Amino acid sequence: AQSVSQHNHHVILSEAASLELGCNYSYGGTVNLFWYVQYPGQHLQLLLKYFSGDPLVKGIKGFEAEFIKSKFSFNLRKPSVQWSDTAEYFCAVIPGYSSASKIIFGSGTRLSIRP
Amino acid sequence: DSGVTQTPKHLITATGQRVTLRCSPRSGDLSVYWYQQSLDQGLQFLIQYYNGEERAKGNILERFSAQQFPDLHSELNLSSLELGDSALYFCASSVGLAPATDTQYFGPGTRLTVL
Repeated sequence: AQSVSQHNHHVILSEAASLELGCNYSYGGTVNLFWYVQYPGQHLQLLLKYFSGDPLVKGIKGFEAEFIKSKFSFNLRKPSVQWSDTAEYFCAVIPGYSSASKIIFGSGTRLSIRP
Repeated sequence: DSGVTQTPKHLITATGQRVTLRCSPRSGDLSVYWYQQSLDQGLQFLIQYYNGEERAKGNILERFSAQQFPDLHSELNLSSLELGDSALYFCASSVGLAPATDTQYFGPGTRLTVL
């Protein structure tokens, strides 16, 4: 079955530290990849997405992610985190391009930033 | 604010009961998606409607059903409720019918507690 793995359940960093959150998926074909963020008490928001083209994708709030097809990975990065980045981050995959394709979410990574 | 509204925000009910959750999509969006977020199952796609028609089904139980009305709002009906149905239920909307390419905008969720 297709799945998405987020290796870190809880990451704690100090402000200005660099961030990398891991995401691996299990699907051999074409994939569409997403990172969503859920700030405390708020709804899910799209951070960035990859469909095709440049495997390095830039999103909102200084986040970026790199699609490495050979590693089935789509890790999220930010060079310098801020306290306001405290949130839960979800990686998601939609296998294929069918209009009936279903999104599969990872279990999420909780990011806590120490001021 | 994503433009997607959900009511009620909180719902507390007893096992065996039936509840209806409501979602109003962003103006102009034709697709509505329903998701369940629970501690043990994570964030799971339940079902998608596009312009009144069911488009895709995920891990939706037979006790659950949904519909999308002519004004494009959607309702998720949960019946014969069990303790394990306690979760946060999100809806999302998008313009088109393809989750692979259309950005989904999420509502604030309805928190269901089954006692």
